Amino acid sequence: AQRVTQPEKLLSVFKGAPVELKCNYSYSGSPELFWYVQYSRQRLQLLLRHISRESIKGFTADLNKGETSFHLKKPFAQEEDSAMYYCALSPAGGTSYGKLTFGQGTILTVHP
Amino acid sequence: NAGVTQTPKFRVLKTGQSMTLLCAQDMNHEYMYWYRQDPGMGLRLIHYSVGEGTTAKGEVPDGYNVSRLKKQNFLLGLESAAPSQTSVYFCASRERVDEQYFGPGTRLTVT
Repeated sequence: AQRVTQPEKLLSVFKGAPVELKCNYSYSGSPELFWYVQYSRQRLQLLLRHISRESIKGFTADLNKGETSFHLKKPFAQEEDSAMYYCALSPAGGTSYGKLTFGQGTILTVHP
Repeated sequence: NAGVTQTPKFRVLKTGQSMTLLCAQDMNHEYMYWYRQDPGMGLRLIHYSVGEGTTAKGEVPDGYNVSRLKKQNFLLGLESAAPSQTSVYFCASRERVDEQYFGPGTRLTVT
């Protein structure tokens, strides 16, 4: 069975500082990794996925299969980045039906 | 285009009562999911459906039942609510190869 771990429940940084949200996973096969974000009073939405390898809102994440990690990074945090962030894993392949296993979530607070 | 909607937004139940949560999507998605969100545990999959008339168990299915009689609707039922089912419930849908789109959530309290 797969597992996703986000070791930090809370993360606080100041505006303009770099930020890294950690995500580690365990899965024996080939996974698809995602970062979802939930802003205050809004629904959960996809931030980025590893297969697209794009930068969204200045965030990037690289899949490191050797370390089984998918850390989310941003070089200069903004106050509007304050939110709950979830790392999620889905087994690759059609029979997974897109089911997601989520980490525990990290609340990011960016102070002015 | 409303996306994914959930009814109701809030509900308080007494132990032993029953209720049904409704999820509706207008994107013609094949796959639909029900998750519960609890502090410190992230979101956990309760049940899911890969098409009209199909349902399957997720990670935490006990105490819940689901039905997908119409492609656009996915119902989650609690036959006899327990305090352990106090949670925020999220519905999501997706096409076969795409991201999941989430509803706004239903906050349920069981006293």
